[in-house]
Amino acid sequence: EVQLLESGGGLIQPGGSLRLSCAASGFTFSSYAMSWVRQAPGKGLEWVSVISDSGGRTYYADSVKGRFTISRDNSKNTLYLQVNSLRGEDTAVYYCAKGVVVIDDAFDIWGQGTMVTVSS
Amino acid sequence: AIRMTQSPSSFSASTGDRVTITCRASQSISSYLVWYQQKPGKAPKLLIYAASTLQSGVPSRFSGSGSGTDFTLTISGLQSEDFATYYCQQYYTYPLTFGQGTKVEIK
Repeated sequence: EVQLLESGGGLIQPGGSLRLSCAASGFTFSSYAMSWVRQAPGKGLEWVSVISDSGGRTYYADSVKGRFTISRDNSKNTLYLQVNSLRGEDTAVYYCAKGVVVIDDAFDIWGQGTMVTVSS
Repeated sequence: AIRMTQSPSSFSASTGDRVTITCRASQSISSYLVWYQQKPGKAPKLLIYAASTLQSGVPSRFSGSGSGTDFTLTISGLQSEDFATYYCQQYYTYPLTFGQGTKVEIK
C-alpha cells in the first residue's frame, strides 16, 4: 500500500524550531518529487515547499523562505521539513504529498498530516 | 504569485444535482490545473489533473474543463459522498497556489 506518514509536530513557542518527518512506503520514493502543504485551522490549503526526486532542486513559498528547509534521505525513504523561527501564523496541519508521475506538482498521495501549534 | 479565485465559496445542493465550480487564474496557466476534494479532518484527494484528466479511481461523474485562465469542475449527479470542500491548484509556476476552496453542502 502506498503510504505517507508524518511525524514531529507539536506545541512550540514562537521563535522555536521543529523537524517534521514524512516516512514513505509502497512506492519508489527516490523517483518522485515531494512537497509539504499546510492548512491552518479552518482555512484553505497553502503550498509550502517542494524538493525534486534527487534532492537537487528546492522551492519555497515566500512566507517560509529563509525559515524552513526541505530535505530528503532517499536511503531512508524519508522527507523532512526543518521549521525555524516559528510564528503564530505557522500554526497548521502540515501534510507531505507525493507528486504524480511526470507532474511533480500535482499531488496524488497525501499523508494524514501532523499538527504544529505555535503558541506561548 | 498567481492568484486562484474560486466561485462560489459555498453553496447548497441536493443529491442528484449537476453542480459546477469555477476557478479563475490571475494569469494564463495553460492547462496546468488540478482539482482536489477534501472532507473534514481528512487529507485532500486528487480528482483531476491537467485541467481535464480524471485521476485513476475517481468516478466518471467528475469532470474538468478549461484552459488559460478559466476552469470548471462539474459533478454530474451529486452523490452523498460528494459533499465536501473542493480546491483548485495551479502548477504552472512556483509558488504553487490554491484557490480558497468551495464548500458543497447538503440542501
